[in-house]
Amino acid sequence: DAMVIQNPRYQVTQFGKPVTLSCSQTLNHNVMYWYQQKSSQAPKLLFHYYDKDFNNEADTPDNFQSRRPNTSFCFLDIRSPGLGDAAMYLCATSDKGQLKETQYFGPGTRLLVL
Amino acid sequence: QKEVEQNSGPLSVPEGAIASLNCTYSDRGSQSFFWYRQYSGKSPELIMSIYSNGDKEDGRFTAQLNKASQYVSLLIRDSQPSDSATYLCAVNRANDYKLSFGAGTTVTVRA
Repeated sequence: DAMVIQNPRYQVTQFGKPVTLSCSQTLNHNVMYWYQQKSSQAPKLLFHYYDKDFNNEADTPDNFQSRRPNTSFCFLDIRSPGLGDAAMYLCATSDKGQLKETQYFGPGTRLLVL
Repeated sequence: QKEVEQNSGPLSVPEGAIASLNCTYSDRGSQSFFWYRQYSGKSPELIMSIYSNGDKEDGRFTAQLNKASQYVSLLIRDSQPSDSATYLCAVNRANDYKLSFGAGTTVTVRA
């Protein structure tokens, strides 16, 4: 089945220790998104890629970076995690970046910062 | 004003009853509206999309859209314990395919 896969499902890191979260998709979608979701809050868009074009949200901290080496894979790098970065990180994809398109979510990675 | 606001929960309904969830949005140019279901500790799953004013039914779910009032709702008929989850309303940003999400309404269906 075509799907969005995230690894790892759970990640524990230490304060200030860089961490990378991974997302892959078999849907062959052009657009890949990274969201941060804290408990009882709305998913917050961090950035997205339209093909190779990176689009950052204005309020995304510099501590968060992303890479998309090919169509299938996208990575979220947190350079120096703080306690406030503990959250669920959701990867999503959509087909062509058009209105009325559904976003499909991966299972998420829950990040714990010690 | 938040871009997308949902009625605060939690919402508790007895099994078999109708659960009614409401969502308002601030951007009058929005054109795409989605309801996602999110079980605790899981990722959002699309259950309904609606683009035109009026009602859209899919099984036990009915979405209602009123663009003039900037209001979208979701009705869950014959609620089941498996419907217990948080329901997220998502709206596209005007002239953009990116979505803004509400904080969600948590529904608990009592057996």
